[in-house]
Amino acid sequence: EAGVAQSPRYKIIEKRQSVAFWCNPISGHATLYWYQQILGQGPKLLIQFQNNGVVDDSQLPKDRFSAERLKGVDSTLKIQPAKLEDSAVYLCASSSRTSGGVAQYFGPGTRLLVL
Amino acid sequence: AQSVTQLGSHVSVSEGALVLLRCNYSSSVPPYLFWYVQYPNQGLQLLLKYTSAATLVKGINGFEAEFKKSETSFHLTKPSAHMSDAAEYFCAVSDQSHDKIIFGKGTRLHILP
Repeated sequence: EAGVAQSPRYKIIEKRQSVAFWCNPISGHATLYWYQQILGQGPKLLIQFQNNGVVDDSQLPKDRFSAERLKGVDSTLKIQPAKLEDSAVYLCASSSRTSGGVAQYFGPGTRLLVL
Repeated sequence: AQSVTQLGSHVSVSEGALVLLRCNYSSSVPPYLFWYVQYPNQGLQLLLKYTSAATLVKGINGFEAEFKKSETSFHLTKPSAHMSDAAEYFCAVSDQSHDKIIFGKGTRLHILP
């Protein structure tokens, strides 16, 4: 079974530029998550999708961040314009609820550096 | 609200020694609990999970964790550390709907030769 795919793996941009990250979840996983992981901290949930609908985006800075999951499969996370404090690893995860409880499976992440 | 506290941001053990990473949780409902490992420049990998079945959970790479309700703990152990175990370890608890995971701040495990 293929894992969660993310691209690009690394990105360097200047502040006020825009950037987009792509995620392809595990096949058949209805739930998709985007996390922000700042150096030395645990992942923080930005947005959760169930199929192509948003379940929770309460911690997404909506003035600059946006995300979509068209057709309920792939997802894109965008930052526009980027700030220095957006430097972090952006992790995508997916899950499929089973009788044993939900566990999330993570992609390798996109490391963003904003200069 | 659900939360986890990981005791010790850094833990060092000698190769071959016991690994013990501590995690205490707070939950208003019977929790689901998880341990994830993150190797440098990689995403998080699920080590093991507790979902109200057996209190002693065995995971990958020789790790196990024991759910102790009376102590609200879910400590991670491995009898004998290997150099390849050096990584960041995250304890996590599910939210009330078991639909989201709340992560701890992580513990970096160093293995001394």
